[in-house]
Amino acid sequence: EDKVVQSPLSLVVHEGDTVTLNCSYEVTNFRSLLWYKQEKKAPTFLFMLTSSGIEKKSGRLSSILDKKELFSILNITATQTGDSAIYLCAVTTSGTYKYIFGTGTRLKVLA
Amino acid sequence: DAGVIQSPRHEVTEMGQEVTLRCKPISGHNSLFWYRQTMMRGLELLIYFNNNVPIDDSGMPEDRFSAKMPNASFSTLKIQPSEPRDSAVYFCASSYDVNTEAFFGQGTRLTVV
Repeated sequence: EDKVVQSPLSLVVHEGDTVTLNCSYEVTNFRSLLWYKQEKKAPTFLFMLTSSGIEKKSGRLSSILDKKELFSILNITATQTGDSAIYLCAVTTSGTYKYIFGTGTRLKVLA
Repeated sequence: DAGVIQSPRHEVTEMGQEVTLRCKPISGHNSLFWYRQTMMRGLELLIYFNNNVPIDDSGMPEDRFSAKMPNASFSTLKIQPSEPRDSAVYFCASSYDVNTEAFFGQGTRLTVV
C-alpha cells in the first residue's frame, strides 16, 4: 500500500530558529512530491519536486528530494511566527491522479 | 483569478438531510479533485475529474456520496442522507493538468448533528 510519512508530528521553535521537516514515502511508480502549507483553511502550494538533488527555493523556504532514499526535506530558515502552520507532504504516482498526503507536521513558532 | 471557490463555507445540518457542496475551479484548469479532511484520517481524495469526466471515485466512502461536474466551471458533491460521521472539512482543488500542482479552495466545514 502506498504511504507517505512525515516527521516530526509537531514542533515548537522560537523565532529565528531553523527547522527541517521530513517526508518519506513508499509508493509504486513515483511521479512527484509536493509540499503544502496549511494555516487556518486551505492548503497553499509551496513546491513540487520531481528530480533528485535539485533544490527548490523560495525566500526562506527550500526543499530537496532524494529519490534513491525515498524522502524529501523542507527547510525553513530564520523562522517567523507567520510560519506557524501545518506542513503537508503529498506524493503522486504515474497512472493515477491521486495525491497521497502525509498526516502533516504542525509547526509552532514562538515570538 | 479568484482561485477555487467553494460554497457554502460552513454547513450545519441534521442527520438524514441532503447536503450539497459546490465548487468553481480555476478557469482553464482541466482537473478537479474533491478531498475530505478529518483529524483522524487527514486529507483523503474522494473523487477526481478530468475534462469534466469522473476518472477515479474509489475514495467515495459509500453510495450516500455522489459527485457531478456538468461543465468545466462547476462541480457538486452531494451527501444523501447525511450522517454525523460525515462531519469534516471538504476541499475542492483544481489543477491545469495532472502534472501540475493543485490549488485548493477554502473548504466547506460540514457538521452533521
